[in-house]
Amino acid sequence: KNQVEQSPQSLIILEGKNCTLQCNYTVSPFSNLRWYKQDTGRGPVSLTIMTFSENTKSNGRYTATLDADTKQSSLHITASQLSDSASYICVVANGATNKLIFGTGTLLAVQP
Amino acid sequence: KAGVTQTPRYLIKTRGQQVTLSCSPISGHRSVSWYQQTPGQGLQFLFEYFSETQRNKGNFPGRFSGRQFSNSRSEMNVSTLELGDSALYLCASSSTTGQTGNTIYFGEGSWLTVV
Repeated sequence: KNQVEQSPQSLIILEGKNCTLQCNYTVSPFSNLRWYKQDTGRGPVSLTIMTFSENTKSNGRYTATLDADTKQSSLHITASQLSDSASYICVVANGATNKLIFGTGTLLAVQP
Repeated sequence: KAGVTQTPRYLIKTRGQQVTLSCSPISGHRSVSWYQQTPGQGLQFLFEYFSETQRNKGNFPGRFSGRQFSNSRSEMNVSTLELGDSALYLCASSSTTGQTGNTIYFGEGSWLTVV
């Protein structure tokens, strides 16, 4: 069954600290994996897109990794800022149906 | 350039009514997708339109429908509203059809409350 699971569900960290969010998927066939940031009450904003052949991609302080063999991805946030407080959503595209499968997100709160 | 524009941003409807939501994609984008987002379910895919044709559809009842116009603007309609339809409805646009490999840009969403 095509599923995307994220952990933890929520996370609280202090400003300036690093954190890592996890994403496991069972989507097959795999096409690509995306990470989105969604501020409360706003639409999601794309952070990274990775295909099968890419195992790491950065966007500023955000670095995503992909292990297609174990079907796992992580999003690492470096030197967190208050503005990083948001929901982070992992999305996997099914290569056969062309549909995106969304995880339920990790809610990150960065405290001063 | 302007992003994806959705209207209205907020609306309240009564059970049994119908609602129409509008989406203007980024200029030059021909693909428009719609999603429903609820706290417990996350984002659920409704349908995708490209060049006025529905290219893909999610697992929603027939009460949910959509269309796309020649200028790529899109509307979605929900008839006979139920309390469970209360959600944030997001529109997304991309330059090509299919949801693989292309950056998808989301609008700010339309918050629908059914009472």
